[in-house]
Amino acid sequence: GNSVTQMEGPVTLSEEAFLTINCTYTATGYPSLFWYVQYPGEGLQLLLKATKADDKGSNKGFEATYRKETTSFHLEKGSVQVSDSAVYFCALSDPISSGSARQLTFGSGTQLTVLP
Amino acid sequence: DAGITQSPRHKVTETGTPVTLRCHQTENHRYMYWYRQDPGHGLRLIHYSYGVKDTDKGEVSDGYSVSRSKTEDFLLTLESATSSQTSVYFCAISEGTSGFTYEQYFGPGTRLTVT
Repeated sequence: GNSVTQMEGPVTLSEEAFLTINCTYTATGYPSLFWYVQYPGEGLQLLLKATKADDKGSNKGFEATYRKETTSFHLEKGSVQVSDSAVYFCALSDPISSGSARQLTFGSGTQLTVLP
Repeated sequence: DAGITQSPRHKVTETGTPVTLRCHQTENHRYMYWYRQDPGHGLRLIHYSYGVKDTDKGEVSDGYSVSRSKTEDFLLTLESATSSQTSVYFCAISEGTSGFTYEQYFGPGTRLTVT
């Protein structure tokens, strides 16, 4: 079946530091890949997405590249801010294996704290 | 932001009582989902719907039922709540056909405590 593995947290960085959160996946088909962000007390928000190999998703200074050869979708940001403190989830949608469900498979989440 | 509301936002209930959570959307999306979020588990799918009166089970469906009588509403019912169902519950919606990317949009969540 499908699965998503994220680097374990929590991750603590100083403001303006470089961020990488690793994500690797296992899927039977050709999945679309997503990063979601969850701020305290809120629901998940779609941060970025990529639908095929070598696509780069980007939003709000965050980037992730769909690497089929390494089955990875690592999240990066060049200079984090205190306001980026949140939990980040990697997810995949594999229409072939999920059929009518179109369901997402999530990683366990990575807590990021950015200190001023 | 996608128009998704959940009610109630917080609920405390006793073991053995029935509980119904409501998800309401204004986007006219076909797919609706219920997830639960627990520490260390990410989000796990409970049930989903692919149309009015069309529902199916997800990964952790035991102890839960759902109904969808209108496109905009998706109800999650705990027939007899147990302490293991203490969790944060999220509703999500998906158009399902938007460039075949299948992204989902989430509601604000309902925090349920079963005592």
